[in-house]
Amino acid sequence: DADVTQTPRNRITKTGKRIMLECSQTKGHDRMYWYRQDPGLGLRLIYYSFDVKDINKGEISDGYSVSRQAQAKFSLSLESAIPNQTALYFCATSRGWGGVQEQYFGPGTRLTVT
Amino acid sequence: GIQVEQSPPDLILQEGANSTLRCNFSDSVNNLQWFHQNPWGQLINLFYIPSGTKQNGRLSATTVATERYSLLYISSSQTTDSGVYFCAVQAGTALIFGKGTTLSVSS
Repeated sequence: DADVTQTPRNRITKTGKRIMLECSQTKGHDRMYWYRQDPGLGLRLIYYSFDVKDINKGEISDGYSVSRQAQAKFSLSLESAIPNQTALYFCATSRGWGGVQEQYFGPGTRLTVT
Repeated sequence: GIQVEQSPPDLILQEGANSTLRCNFSDSVNNLQWFHQNPWGQLINLFYIPSGTKQNGRLSATTVATERYSLLYISSSQTTDSGVYFCAVQAGTALIFGKGTTLSVSS
């Protein structure tokens, strides 16, 4: 089984709709991240969480919100989707302080906003 | 913030050829990772290599932290090596990604 899973894998939605992307991990890592990838570019950080009570904005957080429901679950919401939020979204995890900071990525969610 | 530059942007090879991909970064980092993004979009961890040299099969990587660059070597390339190779560095919280090198290997 995959260590980091994302649902849904593909989603088409309309402008103005609310949508939630979910991420779960079985790696036992404390830290979780949401990234976005646009065509021809690398990934950019949206939000990150170091533990259940910790939420932090990343480089491009406008238009997004997150919820850390448990150590293993981290959700990303688009309150009112717009077409320029069409992208590939990745969840990632890593260990906390004192551990190797290698990040592991989920399979991605391809989101299209029409 | 830290700048990450990858070269070349595109690379076309015949099966069996060797290649070297380069990643330059603008400041000290405490994490450097190489990824392969396959044609289905999935990111595969290749190396966690903030310094030193590592090898995994036909792939190897070297990071010279004092000179702020990392190299990824692919030997005897195969068609399954096609995709985009990303270098990503971390100095604080997030990984900062380069724009990638797109590799196409033909048989």
